[in-house]
Amino acid sequence: DAGVTQSPTHLIKTRGQQVTLRCSPKSGHDTVSWYQQALGQGPQFIFQYYEEEERQRGNFPDRFSGHQFPNYSSELNVNALLLGDSALYLCASSLNKQGLYNEQFFGPGTRLTVL
Amino acid sequence: AQTVTQSQPEMSVQEAETVTLSCTYDTSESDYYLFWYKQPPSRQMILVIRQEAYKQQNATENRFSVNFQKAAKSFSLKISDSQLGDAAMYFCAVHQGGSEKLVFGKGTKLTVNP
Repeated sequence: DAGVTQSPTHLIKTRGQQVTLRCSPKSGHDTVSWYQQALGQGPQFIFQYYEEEERQRGNFPDRFSGHQFPNYSSELNVNALLLGDSALYLCASSLNKQGLYNEQFFGPGTRLTVL
Repeated sequence: AQTVTQSQPEMSVQEAETVTLSCTYDTSESDYYLFWYKQPPSRQMILVIRQEAYKQQNATENRFSVNFQKAAKSFSLKISDSQLGDAAMYFCAVHQGGSEKLVFGKGTKLTVNP
């Protein structure tokens, strides 16, 4: 049973460029959440996708956008990169079902460095 | 807004000893879940233990247990018989009912000394 996978593992970009990060959810999961983890900090929620739509968004500018495909995989796009966007980007998947909480399973992350 | 505070940036423990990591949180909701995650150098977030706020009984998972004080909004993690493999960053997180996001603290770096 494959867990959450992310690609690439590492990425180096320069200021002003655009980047796309990819996530494949755990088998059987239909919901994908993205988190940004700056160095020495805890992860911060960017947004969540379910049924190919953004369901909830955290306090991130519009430069951060996403997409979910029919096979439930997801992309995170960041435009006009800033030095402050350097971070570990974590993807988490879950199965949407009735109830208070749907457990999120995390991938290994993509380390983005902006020079 | 929900906030999670971990007041111990770093902790250390001798192998086989017991250590307690502290966490306090703030939420206006009555229904929520609390979590402790472990993040080793491999970076993958691993769920250690979960506590439902409506349950009075403290959660336990093998060597890991929590002390949940709802009125004080405190949620500490106790690791018994510490092992070298327990060395990692530990994050406390809260999930509020009706929301989709986890809110994390800044983490505590745990070192286990042989």
